[in-house]
Amino acid sequence: GAVVSQHPSWVICKSGTSVKIECRSLDFQATTMFWYRQFPKQSLMLMATSNEGSKATYEQGVEKDKFLINHASLTLSTLTVTSAHPEDSSFYICSARDDDVGNQPQHFGDGTRLSIL
Amino acid sequence: AQKITQTQPGMFVQEKEAVTLDCTYDTSDPSYGLFWYKQPSSGEMIFLIYQGSYDQQNATEGRYSLNFQKARKSANLVISASQLGDSAMYFCAASGFQKLVFGTGTRLLVSP
Repeated sequence: GAVVSQHPSWVICKSGTSVKIECRSLDFQATTMFWYRQFPKQSLMLMATSNEGSKATYEQGVEKDKFLINHASLTLSTLTVTSAHPEDSSFYICSARDDDVGNQPQHFGDGTRLSIL
Repeated sequence: AQKITQTQPGMFVQEKEAVTLDCTYDTSDPSYGLFWYKQPSSGEMIFLIYQGSYDQQNATEGRYSLNFQKARKSANLVISASQLGDSAMYFCAASGFQKLVFGTGTRLLVSP
């Protein structure tokens, strides 16, 4: 159980394109999901906390208008990188935790490698 | 807020040997959780083991055990009988209220 699916796994697109990444909890409900960014050889940096039915909470320094987050249901959160530029190229990974079970770890999707040309 | 310190950028171990990956943490939360994740070169984050701050016993999951020393604020991961497939990045993380904070990671290389 506790499977998180992230799609797509790899995106290559031109500068100026908007890219949407989906994160789904397949067998549990998640009121809260998390979006991270990881640069090569570095740790995961939390970008924002996605809250079902309300606005996302962004970490300091993360542009809200650049990284749009929508958490439309208890099993789906999306991250849209708007007007992407080469500096947005990175590994993006989402996570979710089963709301109904205490002391559960965050389970991660497989990540999305985004390359902006 | 939590802060996680992993002082070992890289570790080498021979197959079938045990290895300890260090992790210290700093938090002001009275209740927190400590986690270890494995990240292979393919990128996915694999949950390995969890320790609650009020747990009296050290957590164990198969070949993984967590050496939890609350007074020292350390949560070292012990991998017994290393396998070639254990070669990966290992991240220690702590959570207070929902958020998970990661350390910088340790790259483990298991040699035949």
